[in-house]
Amino acid sequence: DTGVSQNPRHKITKRGQNVTFRCDPISEHNRLYWYRQTLGQGPEFLTYFQNEAQLEKSRLLSDRFSAERPKGSFSTLEIQRTEQGDSAMYLCASSLYRDSYGYTFGSGTRLTVV
Amino acid sequence: QQQVKQSPQSLIVQKGGISIINCAYENTAFDYFPWYQQFPGKGPALLIAIRPDVSEKKEGRFTISFNKSAKQFSLHIMDSQPGDSATYFCAASRTGNQFYFGTGTSLTVIP
Repeated sequence: DTGVSQNPRHKITKRGQNVTFRCDPISEHNRLYWYRQTLGQGPEFLTYFQNEAQLEKSRLLSDRFSAERPKGSFSTLEIQRTEQGDSAMYLCASSLYRDSYGYTFGSGTRLTVV
Repeated sequence: QQQVKQSPQSLIVQKGGISIINCAYENTAFDYFPWYQQFPGKGPALLIAIRPDVSEKKEGRFTISFNKSAKQFSLHIMDSQPGDSATYFCAASRTGNQFYFGTGTSLTVIP
């Protein structure tokens, strides 16, 4: 296992289209987190899962955003009806429940909405 | 409201010099204060972290100084090298479920 894997690395989409990103965490990690990072800013928390349960969601996660982790392994983040303000780097991280502070981040998916 | 405030926004240091980045927080319930290093096109990577029960932690050339009463903490990079050129983020967490990040400091180390 080489770490947290995110795909695609880059996505360019037209405003109004739907996009989906995938995150594959470190295999033994049961916690998975999504963050959003805009240019020149630090990452902002979106949501996290423990196994397949989504335990917390930020108010940043509007109705157009949905995240799933159906089998407690990989996770998907979908954005419906994309807006230009959604342009950002979407970061995924994972950790063990017993070491929830020990995040490992992936390299992110950079979304550009044109 | 920004939970963690970071300064400076950018920093230029000569090779061999000391780089110092500062952060301040408001929530006294925070119990974990990490620093992350991020290179362009990569995700943040944990550099060093501290708990509020100690005032200083050192790992190699990197040191965190923590002042609980002032609600401030700082990262010191000794003997700065060109390879240290990156963006550095401080962060704070209460439970590990969610981290609050500063706005980042772009460090450039001049050879």
